[in-house]
Amino acid sequence: QVQLLQSGAEVKKPGASVKVSCNVSGYILTELSIHWVRQAPGKGLEWMGGFDPEDGETIYAQKFQGRVTITEDTSTDTGHMELTSLSSEDTAVYYCVLDRHLVPFNWFDPWGQGTLVIVSS
Amino acid sequence: DIQMTQSPSSLSASVGDRLTITCRASQSIARYLNWYQQKPGKAPNLLIYGASSLQSGVPSRFSGGGSGTDFTLTISGLQPEDFATYYCQQTYSNRRTFGQGTKVEIK
Repeated sequence: QVQLLQSGAEVKKPGASVKVSCNVSGYILTELSIHWVRQAPGKGLEWMGGFDPEDGETIYAQKFQGRVTITEDTSTDTGHMELTSLSSEDTAVYYCVLDRHLVPFNWFDPWGQGTLVIVSS
Repeated sequence: DIQMTQSPSSLSASVGDRLTITCRASQSIARYLNWYQQKPGKAPNLLIYGASSLQSGVPSRFSGGGSGTDFTLTISGLQPEDFATYYCQQTYSNRRTFGQGTKVEIK
Protein backbone atom coordinates (compact mmCIF):
# COMPACT_ATOMS: atom_id res chain seq x y z
CA GLN A 1 0.00 0.00 0.00
CA VAL A 2 1.39 3.35 -1.04
CA GLN A 3 1.74 5.92 1.74
CA LEU A 4 2.99 9.49 1.79
CA LEU A 5 4.58 10.91 4.93
CA GLN A 6 5.21 14.64 5.07
CA SER A 7 7.60 16.67 7.19
CA GLY A 8 6.40 18.54 10.24
CA ALA A 9 4.81 21.93 10.77
CA GLU A 10 6.81 25.08 10.10
CA VAL A 11 6.64 28.66 11.36
CA LYS A 12 8.32 31.21 9.12
CA LYS A 13 8.72 34.96 9.02
CA PRO A 14 7.57 37.03 6.05
CA GLY A 15 10.13 37.01 3.27
CA ALA A 16 11.58 33.65 4.27
CA SER A 17 11.41 30.35 2.39
CA VAL A 18 10.00 26.98 3.39
CA LYS A 19 10.78 23.49 2.12
CA VAL A 20 8.32 20.68 2.73
CA SER A 21 9.24 17.03 2.20
CA CYS A 22 7.13 14.06 1.24
CA ASN A 23 8.42 10.50 1.56
CA VAL A 24 6.77 7.80 -0.53
CA SER A 25 6.65 4.26 0.83
CA GLY A 26 5.28 1.15 -0.78
CA TYR A 27 6.16 2.15 -4.32
CA ILE A 28 9.02 3.28 -6.51
CA LEU A 29 9.05 7.03 -7.02
CA THR A 30 10.42 6.75 -10.54
CA GLU A 31 7.11 5.28 -11.58
CA LEU A 32 5.01 7.95 -9.90
CA SER A 33 4.36 11.65 -10.10
CA ILE A 34 4.04 13.82 -7.01
CA HIS A 35 1.90 16.94 -7.05
CA TRP A 36 1.42 19.61 -4.40
CA VAL A 37 -1.85 21.17 -3.27
CA ARG A 38 -2.38 23.76 -0.58
CA GLN A 39 -5.37 24.82 1.51
CA ALA A 40 -5.50 28.12 3.35
CA PRO A 41 -7.56 28.21 6.57
CA GLY A 42 -11.25 27.88 5.73
CA LYS A 43 -10.54 27.90 1.99
CA GLY A 44 -10.58 25.41 -0.86
CA LEU A 45 -7.95 23.25 -2.50
CA GLU A 46 -5.38 25.03 -4.65
CA TRP A 47 -3.18 23.06 -7.04
CA MET A 48 0.41 24.34 -7.00
CA GLY A 49 2.30 22.09 -9.37
CA GLY A 50 3.73 18.67 -10.06
CA PHE A 51 5.76 16.46 -12.34
CA ASP A 52 4.35 15.63 -15.75
CA PRO A 53 5.89 12.30 -16.83
CA GLU A 54 4.59 12.65 -20.40
CA ASP A 55 6.56 15.85 -20.94
CA GLY A 56 9.29 14.97 -18.45
CA GLU A 57 8.89 18.41 -16.90
CA THR A 58 7.66 19.90 -13.68
CA ILE A 59 4.70 22.21 -14.22
CA TYR A 60 3.51 25.00 -11.95
CA ALA A 61 0.34 26.98 -11.48
CA GLN A 62 0.79 30.43 -12.96
CA LYS A 63 0.07 31.96 -9.56
CA PHE A 64 3.21 30.38 -8.08
CA GLN A 65 5.48 30.50 -11.12
CA GLY A 66 8.90 31.79 -10.09
CA ARG A 67 8.26 31.33 -6.40
CA VAL A 68 7.85 27.56 -6.07
CA THR A 69 10.24 24.73 -6.89
CA ILE A 70 9.13 21.10 -6.88
CA THR A 71 11.77 18.39 -6.98
CA GLU A 72 12.03 14.64 -6.53
CA ASP A 73 14.90 12.62 -5.07
CA THR A 74 14.48 9.14 -6.50
CA SER A 75 17.36 7.79 -4.39
CA THR A 76 15.27 8.36 -1.25
CA ASP A 77 11.77 8.25 -2.80
CA THR A 78 11.16 11.74 -1.48
CA GLY A 79 9.56 14.77 -3.05
CA HIS A 80 10.17 18.36 -2.01
CA MET A 81 8.31 21.63 -2.42
CA GLU A 82 10.08 24.90 -1.73
CA LEU A 83 8.18 28.18 -1.62
CA THR A 84 10.05 31.46 -1.40
CA SER A 85 9.21 35.06 -0.50
CA LEU A 86 6.59 33.98 1.98
CA SER A 87 3.78 36.28 3.10
CA SER A 88 0.89 35.81 5.51
CA GLU A 89 -1.22 34.73 2.53
CA ASP A 90 0.93 31.60 2.27
CA THR A 91 -0.26 30.37 5.66
CA ALA A 92 -1.87 27.06 4.76
CA VAL A 93 -1.77 23.30 4.96
CA TYR A 94 0.39 21.95 2.17
CA TYR A 95 -0.38 18.47 0.83
CA CYS A 96 1.65 16.19 -1.39
CA VAL A 97 -0.33 13.70 -3.43
CA LEU A 98 0.34 11.08 -6.05
CA ASP A 99 -0.98 11.58 -9.55
CA ARG A 100 -2.21 8.13 -10.47
CA HIS A 101 -3.46 6.96 -13.83
CA LEU A 102 -5.39 4.23 -15.53
CA VAL A 103 -5.49 5.04 -19.19
CA PRO A 104 -6.92 7.42 -20.11
CA PHE A 105 -7.70 8.99 -16.74
CA ASN A 106 -5.64 10.50 -13.93
CA TRP A 107 -6.53 11.19 -10.32
CA PHE A 108 -4.93 12.20 -7.03
CA ASP A 109 -4.52 9.33 -4.57
CA PRO A 110 -3.24 8.85 -1.91
CA TRP A 111 -2.59 12.15 -0.15
CA GLY A 112 -0.03 12.97 2.48
CA GLN A 113 -1.23 13.97 5.91
CA GLY A 114 -0.55 17.63 5.26
CA THR A 115 2.04 20.07 6.59
CA LEU A 116 0.91 23.28 8.29
CA VAL A 117 3.00 26.30 7.36
CA ILE A 118 2.39 29.45 9.36
CA VAL A 119 3.84 32.73 8.16
CA SER A 120 3.93 35.32 10.92
CA SER A 121 6.18 38.10 12.09
CA ASP B 1 -5.74 27.43 -16.77
CA ILE B 2 -9.09 25.66 -16.95
CA GLN B 3 -11.52 27.16 -14.43
CA MET B 4 -13.85 24.85 -12.51
CA THR B 5 -17.02 26.27 -10.95
CA GLN B 6 -19.13 24.32 -8.49
CA SER B 7 -22.68 25.01 -7.39
CA PRO B 8 -23.99 25.48 -4.89
CA SER B 9 -21.17 26.63 -2.62
CA SER B 10 -23.02 25.15 0.34
CA LEU B 11 -26.25 23.35 1.04
CA SER B 12 -28.21 21.98 3.97
CA ALA B 13 -29.69 18.51 3.79
CA SER B 14 -31.12 15.79 5.98
CA VAL B 15 -30.12 12.17 6.44
CA GLY B 16 -31.75 10.13 3.70
CA ASP B 17 -31.95 12.99 1.21
CA ARG B 18 -30.84 12.71 -2.38
CA LEU B 19 -28.66 15.59 -3.41
CA THR B 20 -26.80 16.69 -6.50
CA ILE B 21 -23.75 18.94 -6.78
CA THR B 22 -22.78 20.40 -10.14
CA CYS B 23 -19.40 21.31 -11.57
CA ARG B 24 -18.84 23.30 -14.74
CA ALA B 25 -15.58 23.60 -16.66
CA SER B 26 -14.55 26.73 -18.56
CA GLN B 27 -13.85 24.57 -21.63
CA SER B 28 -14.61 21.02 -22.69
CA ILE B 29 -12.71 18.46 -20.63
CA ALA B 30 -14.36 15.31 -22.06
CA ARG B 31 -14.71 13.03 -19.03
CA TYR B 32 -11.49 14.02 -17.28
CA LEU B 33 -13.24 14.93 -14.06
CA ASN B 34 -12.74 13.67 -10.52
CA TRP B 35 -14.64 14.16 -7.27
CA TYR B 36 -13.17 14.28 -3.78
CA GLN B 37 -14.64 14.37 -0.29
CA GLN B 38 -12.90 16.24 2.50
CA LYS B 39 -13.75 16.21 6.19
CA PRO B 40 -12.47 18.84 8.64
CA GLY B 41 -8.81 18.42 9.51
CA LYS B 42 -8.34 15.58 7.03
CA ALA B 43 -6.82 15.23 3.59
CA PRO B 44 -9.24 14.87 0.68
CA ASN B 45 -10.39 11.40 -0.34
CA LEU B 46 -11.03 10.30 -3.92
CA LEU B 47 -14.64 9.33 -4.63
CA ILE B 48 -14.98 9.25 -8.41
CA TYR B 49 -12.59 9.44 -11.35
CA GLY B 50 -13.23 9.67 -15.07
CA ALA B 51 -16.52 11.45 -14.34
CA SER B 52 -18.40 8.30 -13.36
CA SER B 53 -16.04 5.54 -12.17
CA LEU B 54 -16.41 4.79 -8.48
CA GLN B 55 -13.16 4.47 -6.58
CA SER B 56 -12.72 1.12 -4.83
CA GLY B 57 -14.27 1.12 -1.37
CA VAL B 58 -16.55 4.11 -1.99
CA PRO B 59 -20.23 3.39 -1.24
CA SER B 60 -22.52 2.95 -4.22
CA ARG B 61 -24.78 5.78 -3.03
CA PHE B 62 -22.21 8.08 -4.66
CA SER B 63 -22.48 8.47 -8.41
CA GLY B 64 -21.08 10.82 -11.00
CA GLY B 65 -22.13 11.86 -14.46
CA GLY B 66 -21.60 14.30 -17.27
CA SER B 67 -19.12 15.05 -20.00
CA GLY B 68 -17.80 18.05 -21.87
CA THR B 69 -18.31 21.02 -19.57
CA ASP B 70 -21.09 19.96 -17.18
CA PHE B 71 -20.81 17.33 -14.48
CA THR B 72 -22.73 16.12 -11.45
CA LEU B 73 -22.06 14.31 -8.21
CA THR B 74 -25.14 12.67 -6.71
CA ILE B 75 -25.50 11.18 -3.25
CA SER B 76 -28.55 8.93 -3.01
CA GLY B 77 -29.60 8.47 0.58
CA LEU B 78 -27.38 10.87 2.52
CA GLN B 79 -25.69 9.30 5.55
CA PRO B 80 -24.34 11.09 8.65
CA GLU B 81 -20.76 10.45 7.52
CA ASP B 82 -21.41 12.21 4.19
CA PHE B 83 -21.56 15.68 5.73
CA ALA B 84 -18.36 17.11 4.35
CA THR B 85 -16.98 19.36 1.61
CA TYR B 86 -16.84 18.06 -1.95
CA TYR B 87 -14.46 19.19 -4.68
CA CYS B 88 -14.33 18.53 -8.39
CA GLN B 89 -11.01 18.46 -10.25
CA GLN B 90 -10.18 18.41 -13.94
CA THR B 91 -7.29 16.35 -15.31
CA TYR B 92 -7.81 17.19 -18.98
CA SER B 93 -4.96 19.64 -18.59
CA ASN B 94 -1.73 18.78 -16.83
CA ARG B 95 -2.53 21.86 -14.70
CA ARG B 96 -4.97 19.98 -12.50
CA THR B 97 -7.33 22.65 -11.16
CA PHE B 98 -10.07 22.23 -8.56
CA GLY B 99 -13.50 23.69 -8.10
CA GLN B 100 -14.02 25.95 -5.10
CA GLY B 101 -15.86 23.28 -3.11
CA THR B 102 -19.40 22.53 -1.95
CA LYS B 103 -20.02 22.21 1.78
CA VAL B 104 -22.81 19.82 2.72
CA GLU B 105 -24.23 20.63 6.14
CA ILE B 106 -26.87 19.06 8.33
CA LYS B 107 -30.30 20.67 8.13
